[in-house]
Formats: sequence, C-alpha cells, structure tokens
Amino acid sequence: EAGVTQSPTHLIKTRGQQATLRCSPISGHTSVYWYQQALGLGLQFLLWYDEGEERNRGNFPPRFSGRQFPNYSSELNVNALELEDSALYLCASSHGQGSTDTQYFGPGTRLTVL
Amino acid sequence: GEDVEQSLFLSVREGDSSVINCTYTDSSSTYLYWYKQEPGAGLQLLTYIFSNMDMKQDQRLTVLLNKKDKHLSLRIADTQTGDSAIYFCAESPMDTGRRALTFGSGTRLQVQP
Repeated sequence: EAGVTQSPTHLIKTRGQQATLRCSPISGHTSVYWYQQALGLGLQFLLWYDEGEERNRGNFPPRFSGRQFPNYSSELNVNALELEDSALYLCASSHGQGSTDTQYFGPGTRLTVL
Repeated sequence: GEDVEQSLFLSVREGDSSVINCTYTDSSSTYLYWYKQEPGAGLQLLTYIFSNMDMKQDQRLTVLLNKKDKHLSLRIADTQTGDSAIYFCAESPMDTGRRALTFGSGTRLQVQP
C-alpha cells in the first residue's frame, strides 16, 4: 500500500511570491492534515481537511490556505511568502473517523524562501 | 492549552536500552503517539497507546503511560545504530472537532557503536 506522497520535494521561492504544495493521502483515507516544521519552532498544526471541507485551523495567518479535492488529495497555498515561512511542510492523512484517528505522514516538502 | 515536553538529547551505546521520556498537560488526551524522524525525512509512526492503558509492547518497543503524572516513556531494547534519529511524542485531543496533534520538541537519540 502506497503511503502519503508529497510534491515537490524541494521548493525555492523569493519573498512575496506564492507557493503551492501538494499531498496525496493513503488510499481510503479521507482526512488530510498539514503541519509546519520550522527550525527552532518544532512541529505546528496548520490545517485539517475532511471530505472536502476545512475542519480546523492552527494559529497561522490567512495567507496560509488550502483545499481538498474530490479525490481527497490536498493543496497548501502560502501567499505573500516571508523569510520565516522557510520550513519543512508535512502532510498527514487518516481514516477521518472518531477520536482514534491515527495520522500517517508523508516525506515533506522543504520550502526555502530567499 | 496543551503542552508536551521532552528532553532534547539522549546518547546510548549500541546494544543498550534507550528510554525517552515525555510529559503532557492535556488530561483529556485520548491517544499518545511516538513518531521517529530520520534526517531529511518525514515522520514515521512507531507506536501509540490509548489513554486508558498502562503499557504497550511492540517487538523492541515498550511504551509506559502514567496517566496520574501525565508521563509517557518509550523504551527501545537492544538499541541499534539505525535507531539514531529524533523521536517525537504527540498527544491527540479528546475533542474530535479539533484533531490537531500536539508534538513535543523531539529527543535526538544518538547511538554510539
């Protein structure tokens, strides 16, 4: 069974540009989560999508947004990039049912903002 | 809010046991997880324990949960050089409307040959 996949592996942008990161969940999973792992800040929850809807959002500004497609894949968009947005962005997926919902992570997209 | 704390670094010799500790504050946590991250990689789920359990064993891994003290530990038996990585504990809230995992800062395990 294929795991969570993310693309691209690396992304280099300049300040003010927009970045789009993509995630494909494990087959059968309907929930997708995005986390940011920035140096010195640890892993922080960004967004949770389930059945095409945004269900929960972390403490991030509105320029971090995303969507989930009918095939349950997801995009994370970061507008007006700032230097502090440089981080590893991790996507996870789960079955989307109940509180016992184990999240499985992809390899991440490393975003560098110059 | 929720908070999860871990020690930053642990060094052991190959063949010894490693014990990585974690404390958390959210008493309503349902599941507690251990993830492993190797350099430049994503998070690999190692194991998890439901909050009404005291212990879970899975091959070389033993998880102990002291719910009263909100203390979680991961013991790796017969530690190998391939176990060198950063280990994160994470807690999952009871509120299914939130679902966000709260992670500790990670413990870097160094295994010396």
